[in-house]
Amino acid sequence: NAGVMQNPRHLVRRRGQEARLRCSPMKGHSHVYWYRQLPEEGLKFMVYLQKENIIDESGMPKERFSAEFPKEGPSILRIQQVVRGDSAAYFCASSPVGGYGYTFGSGTRLTVV
Amino acid sequence: TQLLEQSPQFLSIQEGENLTVYCNSSSVFSSLQWYRQEPGEGPVLLVTVVTGGEVKKLKRLTFQFGDARKDSSLHITAAQPGDTGLYLCAGPSSGAGGTSYGKLTFGQGTILTVHP
Repeated sequence: NAGVMQNPRHLVRRRGQEARLRCSPMKGHSHVYWYRQLPEEGLKFMVYLQKENIIDESGMPKERFSAEFPKEGPSILRIQQVVRGDSAAYFCASSPVGGYGYTFGSGTRLTVV
Repeated sequence: TQLLEQSPQFLSIQEGENLTVYCNSSSVFSSLQWYRQEPGEGPVLLVTVVTGGEVKKLKRLTFQFGDARKDSSLHITAAQPGDTGLYLCAGPSSGAGGTSYGKLTFGQGTILTVHP
């Protein structure tokens, strides 16, 4: 099964720690997207990446959040100095072309205690 | 800022009933997508509608894109408990720089519960 793989599925961090979320896109997909889902806000776009390039990061908070999609390996969403408000489900999606044929992963549920 | 508003927010029905979920916007979208999400999982793409007035059928599900490409609907015939889930509509975001096909705007979702 070559679906979008996200790990870990669940992540617990104490306030002030760093969280690293990983996403391996489907085979043949070179476009990766990160979304955040909060119960009261729905799915919100964070960032769109291609290999070694950030295409659109207009949804990323200005501080503490960063994303990369290196030439080799998975895409990483990094949250530094986590706060309770960062608790959410983070979903990665990939597609073969920009904006069409999205396949989502099962998500990483981040809990900040 | 483009917004997609879904209604109803919650829908609880008995097996065998028909239902319609609406997705409305004041903005024109080049296309709209419908997803279904189950608890603990990511959204799964059901369909993409592209042409104004387009109707697509997926077994008991019928999707329609409004003529003006500002709205869409999902109709389920003879709902089954397996249809239970969160239904989301989404479309490519547009701004001053044009359409960003990599950035989707999602509606808030409709939580459907089908009772046996």
